Amino acid sequence: QVVLTQTPSASASLGASVKLTCTLSSGHSSYAITWHQQQPQKGPRYLMQLNSDGSHIKGDGIPDRFSGSSSGAERYLTISSLQSEDEADYYCQTWGTGNRVFGGGTKLTVL
Amino acid sequence: QVQLQESGPGLVKPSETLSLTCTISGDSITSYYWSWIRQPPGKGLEWIGYIYYSGSTNHNSSLKGRVTMSVDTSENQVSLKVTSVTAADTAVYYCARESYDSIGAFNLWGQGTLVTVSS
Repeated sequence: QVVLTQTPSASASLGASVKLTCTLSSGHSSYAITWHQQQPQKGPRYLMQLNSDGSHIKGDGIPDRFSGSSSGAERYLTISSLQSEDEADYYCQTWGTGNRVFGGGTKLTVL
Repeated sequence: QVQLQESGPGLVKPSETLSLTCTISGDSITSYYWSWIRQPPGKGLEWIGYIYYSGSTNHNSSLKGRVTMSVDTSENQVSLKVTSVTAADTAVYYCARESYDSIGAFNLWGQGTLVTVSS
């Protein structure tokens, strides 16, 4: 069974960039994932699907400031030119035969 | 513009059955898999299960068989039932659409509905 691991918290300054990491468990490095943003008191919002080769499919209206990349079992979400509204929880998600799995989420604080 | 809207009682008594509906507008329910996800207060996201319009389903084994899902193609709705609820089932419940090209990848969410289990 695939497991996704995320760092519980991250912080970066307004206008800077931050790279969030989602790690796939051993034996699952070929899996694609999705990234989702959850702003305070709101529901999740789909950001992108990120494949093992680094190609990604972004959701409608997602700014160019959000990008994804992959290396081995790591999947990354990079947010550049951080804005106050980027302060949120970020979840990665993947899927296998018959199941869907979420990472524990990363709480991003914009300083 | 495709939209998902969850609806159902906001308060359910312990040991009773939680029942929710997700209404899909702007697209056909028959084109996709649909999942239910929940989020207890202050916690992360937990996948509950998925359904296809054919009636094919699967659910998270952690819910120990308390989950039933159904589809109504005439109303463009999917429904969720969770039996024998306890306080641990208190959560915001979301429905989500899975990608047509990558079944399992969530690419659209409803706004969610809070269900509180309490007497």
